[in-house]
Amino acid sequence: KQEVTQIPAALSVPEGENLVLNCSFTDSAIYNLQWFRQDPGKGLTSLLLIQSSQREQTSGRLNASLDKSSGRSTLYIAASQPGDSATYLCAVRNQGGKLIFGQGTELSVKP
Amino acid sequence: ETGVTQTPRHLVMGMTNKKSLKCEQHLGHNAMYWYKQSAKKPLELMFVYNFKEQTENNSVPSRFSPECPNSSHLFLHLHTLQPEDSALYLCASSQGTSGQETQYFGPGTRLLVL
Repeated sequence: KQEVTQIPAALSVPEGENLVLNCSFTDSAIYNLQWFRQDPGKGLTSLLLIQSSQREQTSGRLNASLDKSSGRSTLYIAASQPGDSATYLCAVRNQGGKLIFGQGTELSVKP
Repeated sequence: ETGVTQTPRHLVMGMTNKKSLKCEQHLGHNAMYWYKQSAKKPLELMFVYNFKEQTENNSVPSRFSPECPNSSHLFLHLHTLQPEDSALYLCASSQGTSGQETQYFGPGTRLLVL
């Protein structure tokens, strides 16, 4: 059974810092991996989607990497801003098409 | 109105009540989903509909009854819920279910069962 783990559960950093969020999954037979952002009381916004054949994806200050063989992904946020404060969710799509989510990392960027 | 909308945004109900959650997508998608997000737990997929047909029921108790009258609307009918059913219920849609499409999420309905 696929399990997705995100570390740390919570993270607080000062504005301007570069930071890394970690995601690990137990079954490497995935179709793709996706990072989402969730603001308090809001739904999820897709940030980056990495297909199983890809190693990384970039969007602005965000860079996500995927190492399928080791079951790991990282989300790198450069020059963090208070507006980046949110919960970041990692989800893998298994071969059956279902999205399996981690519990998320709650990020707080202090001005 | 664009994207995925959900109503109501907040709902408080007793265990004997019957209520319904509504989701509408304005993206022209063919697939719609219900997810449950409980405190301190990962999102759990509940149901998947593709072209109005249910393609997945993730062992959800029968007190949750989904309905998909067309590709743009999805309902979740609630009956005799338990306090542990209190959670954020999220609706999502995607172009299809092949696995390559991004799912777009609504803002959710925060449900409290007393």
